[in-house]
Amino acid sequence: GDSVTQMEGPVTLSEEAFLTINCTYTATGYPSLFWYVQYPGEGLQLLLKATKADDKGSNKGFEATYRKETTSFHLEKGSVQVSDSAVYFCAPVSGGSNYKLTFGKGTLLTVNP
Amino acid sequence: ETGVTQSPTHLIKTRGQQVTLRCSSQSGHNTVSWYQQALGQGPQFIFQYYREEENGRGNFPPRFSGLQFPNYSSELNVNALELDDSALYLCASSPGLAGNTGELFFGEGSRLTVL
Repeated sequence: GDSVTQMEGPVTLSEEAFLTINCTYTATGYPSLFWYVQYPGEGLQLLLKATKADDKGSNKGFEATYRKETTSFHLEKGSVQVSDSAVYFCAPVSGGSNYKLTFGKGTLLTVNP
Repeated sequence: ETGVTQSPTHLIKTRGQQVTLRCSSQSGHNTVSWYQQALGQGPQFIFQYYREEENGRGNFPPRFSGLQFPNYSSELNVNALELDDSALYLCASSPGLAGNTGELFFGEGSRLTVL
């Protein structure tokens, strides 16, 4: 089945620092790839997605590029803000199981002013 | 547009009891998925309902069961509760199957504690 390996947290950064959260996956076929974010006390929400190789998803200053050759979908942001403090989840959806997302364990990001 | 709502938000049960969690999907969405999120872990897929039929199930025992109603709202039932069932239960709706749209719209969850 599908699986995700996500960078262990917690990650603590100062405001305006550069962020990378690594994500690698195994999945059948050609999956779509997603990053979800969970802010404190809130439900999960989609941050960005990419549906085919070399696609770049972007939203709110975050970016991730679908790298088929390395089966990776690393999340990056050039300058984090305190409001970015949250838990981030990487999740593929494979063509072989197109009805469910497989989530990583999540990476807790704390941004200090 | 009303988002996904879940009830109750918190509840406490004892081992062996049964629980029913409820979810109202976002307007216009016909697919509902349920996930279990243990503390410090990512959500794990329980099952999905599409137009009132189960459309896939994760690695959960039969004592986890569900329903979807004609208005696309849904219930998750768990029988014979065990301590390890303590978790945040998330409901997510989507306008189509996850593989087609990818985006799931999540509620804030029901936190179940089993004593």
